Amino acid sequence: ILNVEQSPQSLHVQEGDSTNFTCSFPSSNFYALHWYRWETAKSPEALFVMTLNGDEKKKGRISATLNTKEGYSYLYIKGSQPEDSATYLCAFRRDSNYQLIWGAGTKLIIKP
Amino acid sequence: DAGITQSPRHKVTETGTPVTLRCHQTENHRYMYWYRQDPGHGLRLIHYSYGVKDTDKGEVSDGYSVSRSKTEDFLLTLESATSSQTSVYFCAISESRDGEQYFGPGTRLTVT
Repeated sequence: ILNVEQSPQSLHVQEGDSTNFTCSFPSSNFYALHWYRWETAKSPEALFVMTLNGDEKKKGRISATLNTKEGYSYLYIKGSQPEDSATYLCAFRRDSNYQLIWGAGTKLIIKP
Repeated sequence: DAGITQSPRHKVTETGTPVTLRCHQTENHRYMYWYRQDPGHGLRLIHYSYGVKDTDKGEVSDGYSVSRSKTEDFLLTLESATSSQTSVYFCAISESRDGEQYFGPGTRLTVT
């Protein structure tokens, strides 16, 4: 089974500060990388699906980059707000497999 | 929100009893998935379906079976529940194999 690592496990950030965290995945046989946001007491919601090396995607204050050759993706949040508090999950798919392999998530807590 | 419901939302059952969880979607999406989520782990795929009567095993399929007789319903059965199957179970759907997944609200199952 492939491993997807997310770091840090948890992160406390002051409101208004920007932050970023990492998803690491195997660099061979890359097909796609997903990012999801999971708020407490809710279900995961998709943020981005990334497929090409060098991809950059943006949704509001959240953006993500992808490096398939070295096997990592960064998620950036600019000007953190309390509503950004959530667990951010990444998931990796190999080219010949339907299955997404999920990281354990980075729990982001925004301090007012 | 994608139209995905799960039933029951909470269940407590005894070791050795059969349990069936239901996932129902109104989106007419082809792909459906059952995951379990445990502390310290990412989401782990149990089984998935790529069409009516078409299913396949995921990473943690032992002790579980599934059925999909209609596009809208995907059933997960624990033939003889064990305490190790205490978990939160999420159903997800996607329009395409490569697309983002939409998650149901989850079912919290406790096996005593």
